[in-house]
Amino acid sequence: EAGVAQSPRYKIIEKRQSVAFWCNPISGHATLYWYQQILGQGPKLLIQFQNNGVVDDSQLPKDRFSAERLKGVDSTLKIQPAKLEDSAVYLCASSGRRANSYNEQFFGPGTRLTVL
Amino acid sequence: SQKIEQNSEALNIQEGKTATLTCNYTNYSPAYLQWYRQDPGRGPVFLLLIRENEKEKRKERLKVTFDTTLKQSLFHITASQPADSATYLCALSSPSSNDYKLSFGAGTTVTVRA
Repeated sequence: EAGVAQSPRYKIIEKRQSVAFWCNPISGHATLYWYQQILGQGPKLLIQFQNNGVVDDSQLPKDRFSAERLKGVDSTLKIQPAKLEDSAVYLCASSGRRANSYNEQFFGPGTRLTVL
Repeated sequence: SQKIEQNSEALNIQEGKTATLTCNYTNYSPAYLQWYRQDPGRGPVFLLLIRENEKEKRKERLKVTFDTTLKQSLFHITASQPADSATYLCALSSPSSNDYKLSFGAGTTVTVRA
């Protein structure tokens, strides 16, 4: 079974530029998550999708971050404009059943973003 | 405010010994707790899940305990090996109105010396 795919793996941009990350979850997984992991910290949930609907985006900085999951499969996370404090690893994860469950999450390798 | 605290110091142990990691939480009423392993440059990998009504869970050389009175989970790696060197994250989930989202601790880095 293929894992969660993310691209790009690395991205370096100047502040105030825009950037987009792509995620392809495990086939058949209805729930998709985007996390931000700053160096030395644990992952912080940014947004959770159930199929193509948003379940939780309470910690997403909506003035600059946006995410979509068209057709309930792939997802993109965008930052526009980027700030220095957005430097982090952006992790995508998916899980196999409904949001209200105890399922483990499967993580992709992440995209390391550096904002200069 | 809600907090999840893991061992603040990295853990360095000799091969063959038992590594014990702690996860303490405040202002949570978790329905369950998960432990993940994260290697440098990779995403976390699920290891174990323990529910609020379970005291202990085992998987091969791993053992997790969950004490909701102390608000603490202990994670043990017995007969440790250099391949166990990684960062270990605990994650809590509290039932909310519409999901069981995870909140992660900062992790504890374990180094096993041969």
